[in-house]
Formats: sequence, structure tokens, C-alpha cells
Amino acid sequence: GAVVSQHPSWVICKSGTSVKIECRSLDFQATTMFWYRQFPKQSLMLMATSNEGSKATYEQGVEKDKFLINHASLTLSTLTVTSAHPEDSSFYICSIWGGASIGYTFGSGTRLTVV
Amino acid sequence: DAKTTQPTSMDCAEGRAANLPCNHSTISGNEYVYWYRQIHSQGPQYIIHGLKNNETNEMASLIITEDRKSSTLILPHATLRDTAVYYCIVRVGETSGSRLTFGEGTQLTVNP
Repeated sequence: GAVVSQHPSWVICKSGTSVKIECRSLDFQATTMFWYRQFPKQSLMLMATSNEGSKATYEQGVEKDKFLINHASLTLSTLTVTSAHPEDSSFYICSIWGGASIGYTFGSGTRLTVV
Repeated sequence: DAKTTQPTSMDCAEGRAANLPCNHSTISGNEYVYWYRQIHSQGPQYIIHGLKNNETNEMASLIITEDRKSSTLILPHATLRDTAVYYCIVRVGETSGSRLTFGEGTQLTVNP
């Protein structure tokens, strides 16, 4: 299957700063990538669908100005958490759609802690 | 996509088969059943998927009832490393890259 690399694996930042998380598809050109957020002891919640070369589609209730998504190439999508607050502390996971033969492949996740 | 219902948690003895049920009574004809699992603090991992026939791969078997309203994921010889949250997801289109949404899943704990 496809290999998805997510960086960083964990990050601690101060309130009010911005944090960028990268999601790379190492061996597959992914036109579609997905971003999820997961709070402790909860399931994954889809935040947005990212399409290469176009604007991301955000799920209801997700602030697009706070969670900036850029999918400028077929192998890289980034999620920037702007003006982070402690309530943004979460586990962020990206995923790619690799076609019928590969399906969905997930990154290893990024643990964000805002202090 | 059709809603799924899974038990919140299950226990299994190491070396025994783990049978994880999933109800999807509102599934429609073009929806597939997918199973993923998530080991603590990692991204989800694909296990298996099927439409109506039973499926088997190196990780697990998927048994889908004839009316397709429920399915069972079988881990034939569970190990401690199979302890994870298992998600049953029903969605349209094996070839479609549409959004994948997760329910609450089943926490499987494999005990020594």
C-alpha cells in the first residue's frame, strides 16, 4: 500500500502561535487527502477534505480560517493551526485516498499540545 | 453512508479467536463494509473490506450475513499486539475517494 509520512509526530507550542503539520504521500500521487482530529478517548473526527490545486472542503463546525489547509502538490498537504489555544490540543491525523487497490492510508499522527 | 453499531468493548484471551460484530441494518446495495483498527496513539490501519461475499486476508476474515445487515470481523489467533480500537465503516464505492467517517468503534483488549 501507500506510505504516508506525517511531521512532526509531536509538537508543543504557546497559546497564540501557529503550528504547521505536514502530510506527505511518499510513493503515491494523492489528489485527495483528508485531515482528522482526535481528542482523548474519542473517535476520529473528519475536519476537512483536501484536493490538490483547489480549496479544501471543511466539515460543518470546523473553522476554515483557523485550520488552514494547503494541498499544493500531489505529495504534500499541510494543516496550519493558527492562533492556537489549549482547546486545540489534540491528535491530528492525515489520510490519503490511494485508489481502489490501495484504499485509504493514514499517517502516524501529530500530537499537538498548546500551553 | 449507513450508520454502524458496535459494542463498546470486548475482551479476548491471547491465542483465541476474536470475533467483533458490527450491525449496519440500513446498508444499501452499493455500500461496502470496511474494517480499520487504531492502536493507541497511532493512525488507523486498514484490515479488510467486502461487499457481500466473505473475505479473508493475512490479517483477518470478514463474514457478512446474507441480508448484509451485519458483519463479523474475525482475528483467528489474537495476540497482545491486536489490542486496539476496531472500527467498522460502511461507505459507498470501492473506487470512490469520498470522505471516510468513523464511529466509536470497539475497544478490543487481548489478555495474556
